[in-house]
Amino acid sequence: DSGVTQTPKHLITATGQRVTLRCSPRSGDLSVYWYQQSLDQGLQFLIQYYNGEERAKGNILERFSAQQFPDLHSELNLSSLELGDSALYFCASSASPRRGGETQYFGPGTRLLVL
Amino acid sequence: GDSVTQMEGPVTLSEEAFLTINCTYTATGYPSLFWYVQYPGEGLQLLLKATKADDKGSNKGFEATYRKETTSFHLEKGSVQVSDSAVYFCALMENSGGGADGLTFGKGTHLIIQP
Repeated sequence: DSGVTQTPKHLITATGQRVTLRCSPRSGDLSVYWYQQSLDQGLQFLIQYYNGEERAKGNILERFSAQQFPDLHSELNLSSLELGDSALYFCASSASPRRGGETQYFGPGTRLLVL
Repeated sequence: GDSVTQMEGPVTLSEEAFLTINCTYTATGYPSLFWYVQYPGEGLQLLLKATKADDKGSNKGFEATYRKETTSFHLEKGSVQVSDSAVYFCALMENSGGGADGLTFGKGTHLIIQP
């Protein structure tokens, strides 16, 4: 158990809908990362937050957004969903945004299926 | 941009066989390197890491050495067990510069160990 929790575990929705994925980081971790794992794209970094503020963006679509709240939990919002958004979404956390080998701890993921 | 290349498999071995999973990378700077493992239905777990050239990461009988001259970080284990069956991901994170803090992953290698 990494200490990172994600809800829900599974989510089934229809095209055009909007969903929210939730992540709680390990106790004491200030940095949260979101990743998408799909069969065709593999594991891709989406976005990072540190202590409530956006720190870095990766391959995140404009239809997707995220935020980190004062209690440090984070939410990833996916809107106008398309079939291709079906994937496993992981949240990870680390103690700080200091670069240079900082270990990221991953949650169990949320499996999204768009029908 | 940064990239990681690894053999995708599946790689099938008999129990107690020697394991090598190759990983090479392309990066603009001098990254930290990681191996993560994903067991069926679970999130990613850090297996080992190395933060600078010639460092050797090791854990649970697995080893990998950071080779700057060949830009490689091959994963090895002397005697594999059935319980090692999983998907293994090689990843990097830049140590400096203004880029994102997210991990760049390879496609993953599916390892199957037969009794």
